[in-house]
Amino acid sequence: RKEVEQDPGPFNVPEGATVAFNCTYSNSASQSFFWYRQDCRKEPKLLMSVYSSGNEDGRFTAQLNRASQYISLLIRDSKLSDSATYLCVVNIQGYSTLTFGKGTMLLVSP
Amino acid sequence: NAGVTQTPKFRILKIGQSMTLQCTQDMNHNYMYWYRQDPGMGLKLIYYSVGAGITDKGEVPNGYNVSRSTTEDFPLRLELAAPSQTSVYFCASSYSSEGALTGELFFGEGSRLTVL
Repeated sequence: RKEVEQDPGPFNVPEGATVAFNCTYSNSASQSFFWYRQDCRKEPKLLMSVYSSGNEDGRFTAQLNRASQYISLLIRDSKLSDSATYLCVVNIQGYSTLTFGKGTMLLVSP
Repeated sequence: NAGVTQTPKFRILKIGQSMTLQCTQDMNHNYMYWYRQDPGMGLKLIYYSVGAGITDKGEVPNGYNVSRSTTEDFPLRLELAAPSQTSVYFCASSYSSEGALTGELFFGEGSRLTVL
């Protein structure tokens, strides 16, 4: 079983739509969680951290469910510029490396 | 600050050649990483370092070597290049807080390597 699993997509949505991605993790020692964004042929960049109480950054909302071991990312009012691959990332306690999911591709069309 | 700088950005190698991908960061981060990303695939960790003089293997270290003689530099050496090493290579760095990884990795722009 992979440590971090994501639906690879692509998710095709029209501008203005709301879209949500889920990610599941298998290691119960996972202690911190992040969403990264990777544009085509570019490097990944941190989008937002995911806090236990959930957090919001503009149109983006991240949620954590420790009991079910999943995190989610909700994007409201999608823009063309949101088209990218969204990587779910987990920091496992005691590890010196982050564990990356393979990413979910989002395509926003006019 | 330049952040994480990788060179070269593009390179074509012949089978059996060797080369070094350079990576330097000016943020005084103690953690540094090398990943490879094949087309349409996720990141795979090659090697990482938690400080000068310390390196460890990731999930795909075969065919590569690294060194970390300074905090700033973390070069990746490819010995005897093979077509399977055709990929995009990303270097990244991170800081730690009280010895724990904080979670934000700063990536270089990538080095696109083709082995023919």
